[in-house]
Amino acid sequence: AQKVTQAQTEISVVEKEDVTLDCVYETRDTTYYLFWYKQPPSGELVFLIRRNSFDEQNEISGRYSWNFQKSTSSFNFTITASQVVDSAVYFCALKENTGFQKLVFGTGTRLLVSP
Amino acid sequence: DVKVTQSSRYLVKRTGEKVFLECVQDMDHENMFWYRQDPGLGLRLIYFSYDVKMKEKGDIPEGYSVSREKKERFSLILESASTNQTSMYLCASTQGSDTYNEQFFGPGTRLTVL
Repeated sequence: AQKVTQAQTEISVVEKEDVTLDCVYETRDTTYYLFWYKQPPSGELVFLIRRNSFDEQNEISGRYSWNFQKSTSSFNFTITASQVVDSAVYFCALKENTGFQKLVFGTGTRLLVSP
Repeated sequence: DVKVTQSSRYLVKRTGEKVFLECVQDMDHENMFWYRQDPGLGLRLIYFSYDVKMKEKGDIPEGYSVSREKKERFSLILESASTNQTSMYLCASTQGSDTYNEQFFGPGTRLTVL
């Protein structure tokens, strides 16, 4: 069965600190997709990144970077030089290639960035 | 700009009432989803639909039903609301059958059942 674990319930940092959000997943499929979503206080989930199981290249987008390691079944998300606007709940999600379009979400990590 | 809209941001209902939550997307997406979000549980899939008049149960369908009469609209129905259905409800949509497509979410409806 597929499962996503985000062990960090809440993280508090001060602006300009770097922060890493952990995501560990379980799946039996060899082909799968991993996603990160951001949920700001307004409530709407915003798509951040997608990664497929055959692409282990790390990715950097501005202050955001993602580290995908199949060996440890992890897909961690790092924010460099955090800002107050980064305060949100962040969700990691998994979609297997079998099973119709079903996304399985982790329980989310609430990030609080204080000035 | 892609859009998923939900009929209400906040809703308060009484136990036993029939409740309709509406979701509309303007992206001509085939697939639509209803999730509920609860603290410590993340998002859980209630129902999804991959075409007009088609529906599939998700992980927690008990106490809910859905309707999809038009491609752009997906309704979630609570036949007889109960207090344990107090939650945040999120609608999402995605295009086609490709697994890698991301889902687009609406702003959510926070439902309180008294």
